[in-house]
Amino acid sequence: DTGVSQDPRHKITKRGQNVTFRCDPISEHNRLYWYRQTLGQGPEFLTYFQNEAQLEKSRLLSDRFSAERPKGSFSTLEIQRTEQGDSAMYLCASSLLRGSSYNEQFFGPGTRLTVL
Amino acid sequence: AQKITQTQPGMFVQEKEAVTLDCTYDTSDPSYGLFWYKQPSSGEMIFLIYQGSYDQQNATEGRYSLNFQKARKSANLVISASQLGDSAMYFCAMNANNNDMRFGAGTRLTVKP
Repeated sequence: DTGVSQDPRHKITKRGQNVTFRCDPISEHNRLYWYRQTLGQGPEFLTYFQNEAQLEKSRLLSDRFSAERPKGSFSTLEIQRTEQGDSAMYLCASSLLRGSSYNEQFFGPGTRLTVL
Repeated sequence: AQKITQTQPGMFVQEKEAVTLDCTYDTSDPSYGLFWYKQPSSGEMIFLIYQGSYDQQNATEGRYSLNFQKARKSANLVISASQLGDSAMYFCAMNANNNDMRFGAGTRLTVKP
């Protein structure tokens, strides 16, 4: 396994279009996270899954954002009716939750979205 | 509410010297984890080091060490013997209740030859 992968790496779209990003986590990892990172800032948490269950989604930025992880493996993040303010890097991370210890999250290379 | 503060937008260090990157945090949870990540210009986030709130000793990983002062709620990263390849953004992050990770705004480190 070579780590977390994300597709596409870059996406340019016109305002109002829908976009979907894919994340493939490290295979044995049961947790998957989505973050947004704007220029000069740290990653901002959006949502996360444990297996196929979405445990937190209240911090998705608006109802235009949705995420799925249907089989507990890969995940998709969709943004409907994109706006110029959605332009950012979208990062995916995965981790293996074991008991109560804190485990580092491994990040993918990100998808850079540009909304024209 | 959880909060991570990095007060140094940019730092410079001479090659082969040590540098300390500051991080303070705030949480009401007694159990939490503190992390440092490196983000080079290529954009990937690279995990560096982890400190648990109940760990008695400061974490070390090669040239990285974490100066954990629980009473002061600080978790500074110390990089010893800086190398040119250490030039990057560095993010401090905290995870409480094993949920999401909160990140600071980051510090841009530049290593001078």
